[in-house]
Amino acid sequence: AQTVTQSQPEMSVQEAETVTLSCTYDTSENNYYLFWYKQPPSRQMILVIRQEAYKQQNATENRFSVNFQKAAKSFSLKISDSQLGDTAMYFCAFMKHSQGAQKLVFGQGTRLTINP
Amino acid sequence: NAGVTQTPKFQVLKTGQSMTLQCAQDMNHNSMYWYRQDPGMGLRLIYYSASEGTTDKGEVPNGYNVSRLNKREFSLRLESAAPSQTSVYFCASRGDIGSARYGYTFGSGTRLTVV
Repeated sequence: AQTVTQSQPEMSVQEAETVTLSCTYDTSENNYYLFWYKQPPSRQMILVIRQEAYKQQNATENRFSVNFQKAAKSFSLKISDSQLGDTAMYFCAFMKHSQGAQKLVFGQGTRLTINP
Repeated sequence: NAGVTQTPKFQVLKTGQSMTLQCAQDMNHNSMYWYRQDPGMGLRLIYYSASEGTTDKGEVPNGYNVSRLNKREFSLRLESAAPSQTSVYFCASRGDIGSARYGYTFGSGTRLTVV
């Protein structure tokens, strides 16, 4: 079974700073997807970024980028020029790449606070 | 707007009462899921459905039942609510491999309190 670990329960940075959230996972699969989801106080789960394991290039979405280290099974999220609206819970998640109802496995989450 | 719709958004139950959480998606997805979210534990899978007419247990199925009524709707039922079922519940659906939106789309969640 796959497991996802987020070792930072809480983080806090000043507005405009850069912050990196850590995530490690354990799997014997070779083809899979990794995700970062954001959950603001509204409770909505919002997809931030997605990485396909077969792609060596790290995914980027505007101020959000990942550092994907497949051999080390590490998938960190970097937020550049952080904004007050980035304050949220962030969840790392893993999913096998195959047909059928593949399940998303979540980490425990990191609560990120951006201070003015 | 296309997406996943969950009802209700909030609910308070007394121990032993029953209720059904409703979920519907309009993206023509085959796979649908029910998760619960508890502090410090992330989201854990309760049940899922690969397609209309099929359902399977996830990580924490005890105390719950599900029905995949049709391709759009996937409901979660608590037959006899217990305080341990106090949680936030999320429904989600997943696009097929190769689709531009591959990945999960979540509903807005239901906060359930059992007293």
